Amino acid sequence: AQRVTQPEKLLSVFKGAPVELKCNYSYSGSPELFWYVQYSRQRLQLLLRHISRESIKGFTADLNKGETSFHLKKPFAQEEDSAMYYCALRGYGGATNKLIFGTGTLLAVQP
Amino acid sequence: NAGVTQTPKFQVLKTGQSMTLQCAQDMNHEYMSWYRQDPGMGLRLIHYSVGAGITDQGEVPNGYNVSRSTTEDFPLRLLSAAPSQTSVYFCASSYSLGQGRRTDTQYFGPGTRLTVL
Repeated sequence: AQRVTQPEKLLSVFKGAPVELKCNYSYSGSPELFWYVQYSRQRLQLLLRHISRESIKGFTADLNKGETSFHLKKPFAQEEDSAMYYCALRGYGGATNKLIFGTGTLLAVQP
Repeated sequence: NAGVTQTPKFQVLKTGQSMTLQCAQDMNHEYMSWYRQDPGMGLRLIHYSVGAGITDQGEVPNGYNVSRSTTEDFPLRLLSAAPSQTSVYFCASSYSLGQGRRTDTQYFGPGTRLTVL
């Protein structure tokens, strides 16, 4: 079964500290992994996806198939990073764009 | 482009009432979907559509109906509202996979906050 696990409901760090938001997945084939972000009073939006291998707003995420993980990392947190972060999975090669979301992690960056 | 729009932004219903949450997109996306967002549960897929006239069930379809008569619109109907349907509802759209596309970003609407008393 497809499943995305985000073990932390809340992650609180100080400005300038490193951030790692954990995401583990369960999928028998080759998944596509995404991170979506929801800032306060804004709509959910794509942050990054593993196939792009890009850094967005200083965030990176590497797909580790051995550990079935897709953790989101940033070396120095900023206050404007405070938001709800969702990890999502889609089965590659499927006929639809169905995404399975994790339960989300609220990142709070303290000044 | 307005992107994905949803109406209303807020709604309060009594148990047993029916209503329709509206969703529209002007990006000519084939794929549209409805999610509900609940604390501790993340986003769960209710129904989705890969094109006009085609709909299918997601993870939590019970109590909801959808139709897709046009590419632009994908309304979500609550036939007989229950307190368990109190949630924030998000509509999303994207291009469908295929036609050489491996992946496409889903664009989300601003959400509808529904309370059922």
